[in-house]
Amino acid sequence: GENVEQHPSTLSVQEGDSAVIKCTYSDSASNYFPWYKQELGKRPQLIIDIRSNVGEKKDQRIAVTLNKTAKHFSLHITETQPEDSAVYFCAARRGSTLGRLYFGRGTQLTVWP
Amino acid sequence: EAGVTQFPSHSVIEKGQTVTLRCDPISGHDNLYWYRRVMGKEIKFLLHFVKESKQDESGMPNNRFLAERTGGTYSTLKVQPAELEDSGVYFCASSQGGRRNTEAFFGQGTRLTVV
Repeated sequence: GENVEQHPSTLSVQEGDSAVIKCTYSDSASNYFPWYKQELGKRPQLIIDIRSNVGEKKDQRIAVTLNKTAKHFSLHITETQPEDSAVYFCAARRGSTLGRLYFGRGTQLTVWP
Repeated sequence: EAGVTQFPSHSVIEKGQTVTLRCDPISGHDNLYWYRRVMGKEIKFLLHFVKESKQDESGMPNNRFLAERTGGTYSTLKVQPAELEDSGVYFCASSQGGRRNTEAFFGQGTRLTVV
């Protein structure tokens, strides 16, 4: 089955700096890669996703890049703000749009004011 | 639009007891998923319903776990008897059927503690 590795497990940055979280996956059949943000006590929420036919996607301060050859994808947050502090999960899905998500272990991002 | 709702938000039970978790998906969502996160680890898939049918239950850890989705609306996940290693946060997620919308919407989770 698919195996998703996520690094780092914790990340502390100063407000205004950039943050990068990296994930690798093992199954070349995976073609959908969402990122979820979970604030303390709240539900995981989709913040951005990318499909395997695209190399990069950007939404305001958030961007995701995908390298299919190397089987890795990354989340980039620029101009970080304290409200970006949360646990971020990467995930991968194989083939069918109905299928299960395989998650990484999560990254606790802390943005210091 | 109401989101995915889970009950209870927290549950503390003793080893050997039974607990039933409930998930109300977003109205009209055919797909319903159960996931679990044990502290510090990844969110792991348990099973997937399409309407009332189990599409994939390969993630269910053992036969102490029973999931149902009668009528294709809300779902329950029963753990009987509970063991210490069942502690964790149980998430439910739902998504629309078909290929147009693939986003999975998550509930806030049920934190289960078995003591």
